[in-house]
Amino acid sequence: SQTIHQWPATLVQPVGSPLSLECTVEGTSNPNLYWYRQAAGRGLQLLFYSVGIGQISSEVPQNLSASRPQDRQFILSSKKLLLSDSGFYLCAWSPLLTTEAFFGQGTRLTVV
Amino acid sequence: GENVEQHPSTLSVQEGDSAVIKCTYSDSASNYFPWYKQELGKRPQLIIDIRSNVGEKKDQRIAVTLNKTAKHFSLHITETQPEDSAVYFCAASGAEGKLIFGQGTELSVKP
Repeated sequence: SQTIHQWPATLVQPVGSPLSLECTVEGTSNPNLYWYRQAAGRGLQLLFYSVGIGQISSEVPQNLSASRPQDRQFILSSKKLLLSDSGFYLCAWSPLLTTEAFFGQGTRLTVV
Repeated sequence: GENVEQHPSTLSVQEGDSAVIKCTYSDSASNYFPWYKQELGKRPQLIIDIRSNVGEKKDQRIAVTLNKTAKHFSLHITETQPEDSAVYFCAASGAEGKLIFGQGTELSVKP
C-alpha cells in the first residue's frame, strides 16, 4: 500500500534561518506531489505542485522554493525564513491528475 | 487560474439536524470536486468526491451535489452527530491536476 512520510512534525526556527522540509511517498511511482500551507485562518493554500521529476509549478510568489530530486521525494526550502512563513505545511500526493489527494501528517513551523 | 469560494465559514447545528456547505468555482474546465474533513491538529481526509459527469453522489449520511452550469457544488450531512464536528474543505481540480481548496467551514454539532 502507498504511504506518505513528512518530517519533521514540528519545527521552531529563528527569522533568517534556512528551511528544509522533506516528503517522500512509498508504494507508487510517478505520483503528483503538492505542498500546501495552512495558516491560522484554516485555508489550504497551494504553494507548489509537481507532475514529474524536475517539473515544479509555483502557485504563489514567496520566500519558498521546491525541488523534486527523485520521483517520490519532494522538498520545500527557504534560504531565509520570515515571520510570515509560520504555519502548518502539508505535503500531499495523488496517483493521477484529478483524483484523490492523500496528505502527510504535516509540519507545524513556527518562525520566531 | 481556478478560484474556489466556500460558505459559510462557520456553521453550528443541533445534533440530528442537517448541515449544508456550499462552494463555487471559477474554472469551467474543472472536473473533479472532492470534500475533505480535517479534525483539529490532523491532516485532511477525503470524505466524498464527485466528477463533472455526475450530478449527485451519496454515501450514507453524506451527499454531494454538483451544478456544472452554475459552477457550484454542495456538501449535505444529514442526522449530524457530535463527531461530525470538524473543519470541512471543498476543492476543485482540472486537467492540470492542481487541487485548489476553499477556505474551509468550521462545523460545530451541539449535543
